[in-house]
Amino acid sequence: DVQMTQSPSTLSASVGDRATITCRASQSIKRWLAWYQQKPGKAPRLLIYKASILERGVPPRFSGSGSGTEFTLTISSLQSDDFATYYCQQYDTYFPTFGQGTKVEIK
Amino acid sequence: QVQLVESGGGVVQPGGSLRLSCSSSGFSFGSYGMHWVRQAPDKGPEWVAFIRFDGTATFYADSVMGRFTISRDNSWSTLYLQMNSLRREDTALYYCARDGVLGNFPNQFDLWGQGILVTVSS
Repeated sequence: DVQMTQSPSTLSASVGDRATITCRASQSIKRWLAWYQQKPGKAPRLLIYKASILERGVPPRFSGSGSGTEFTLTISSLQSDDFATYYCQQYDTYFPTFGQGTKVEIK
Repeated sequence: QVQLVESGGGVVQPGGSLRLSCSSSGFSFGSYGMHWVRQAPDKGPEWVAFIRFDGTATFYADSVMGRFTISRDNSWSTLYLQMNSLRREDTALYYCARDGVLGNFPNQFDLWGQGILVTVSS
């Protein structure tokens, strides 16, 4: 299985800050990577797929980049609605795998 | 309204069986591959299984291979997960999710249900 490792595990930030989350794959996954946002008691929500394509309805303050084994999710200016847990997911193989998550909390 | 609604969860003893259902509406169910994804308490999501849009191909995570079976009935727009030989570590919130690409293999998950809880306990 392809292992996905996110960093940091927790990110403390304030409204208006720029937030950056990194996701590393144990082998090259080309650009077959998605990012999700999850709030307590809710299902994950797709934000970005194919490393950098914004899902419809997702605010443009979210952006993704990277290829191969290293990827980044950036929130350009944190809003109160963005405090949540974020997961990366690879789909280069027939067996998708997720990262362990990054919780973005209010400083 | 485009949505997925899971049902069939509950409490089951170790070694027992359970069948989950996922009813879809608002989109052409038979055109999409579908997944089951689970999430144990305070853990990240774990992909469980995928079925191709026409049901002719399935893929499973190693952790459930040989115990779980994914299936679908396109005439009823419904997805199923038959879970046998359940273990305590199968305790989780189970989501059905739509594949985001009209293709034959797993991709991103672009539509999720609200989840259904399965608890394996004696």
